[in-house]
Amino acid sequence: GDSVTQMEGPVTLSEEAFLTINCTYTATGYPSLFWYVQYPGEGLQLLLKATKADDKGSNKGFEATYRKETTSFHLEKGSVQVSDSAVYFCALSGINAGNMLTFGGGTRLMVKP
Amino acid sequence: GAVVSQHPSWVICKSGTSVKIECRSLDFQATTMFWYRQFPKQSLMLMATSNEGSKATYEQGVEKDKFLINHASLTLSTLTVTSAHPEDSSFYICSALRRNEQFFGPGTRLTVL
Repeated sequence: GDSVTQMEGPVTLSEEAFLTINCTYTATGYPSLFWYVQYPGEGLQLLLKATKADDKGSNKGFEATYRKETTSFHLEKGSVQVSDSAVYFCALSGINAGNMLTFGGGTRLMVKP
Repeated sequence: GAVVSQHPSWVICKSGTSVKIECRSLDFQATTMFWYRQFPKQSLMLMATSNEGSKATYEQGVEKDKFLINHASLTLSTLTVTSAHPEDSSFYICSALRRNEQFFGPGTRLTVL
């Protein structure tokens, strides 16, 4: 079945550091890929998405590129802020999943001033 | 647009009582809603898919008689935790499907004493 693996956290960075959170997936065909962010005590918010190979999703300075050859969708940001501290979830929606999402385990990011 | 609300945002109840959680799509109609459960520092686990006007589809291992789901209108789905026990304490998150994208509610924290 479909699965998503992302790097375990917590990831602790200083403000303005470069961020990478790795995400790889297993699925048949070309699933849609997503990054969600969850702030403390809140639900999930869609951060960005990509629906086909080589697409780049971007939002609020975050980027991720759909790499079919490496089955990856790594999240990057050039300069993190304290306000980026949250839990980040990589997810996929398979081609036969009926819009159901499969989530990775989540990566907690802590940004220190 | 695409705002989803949950009520209550948190609830504390005694063991053996039942608790109802509401999930509403505020500015769109959703024939499909999803219910997730999230344990501390863990990922989201899909509990069930709620379809308006029909019975919910439960994931393997989720007791349908314990977690009653009613999707009576295009903007409201409810999850009732019956005869709650301390092990049911968790963060419950719903999402509503709109144009093949899930929009998440802010979550409900349930604590069973």
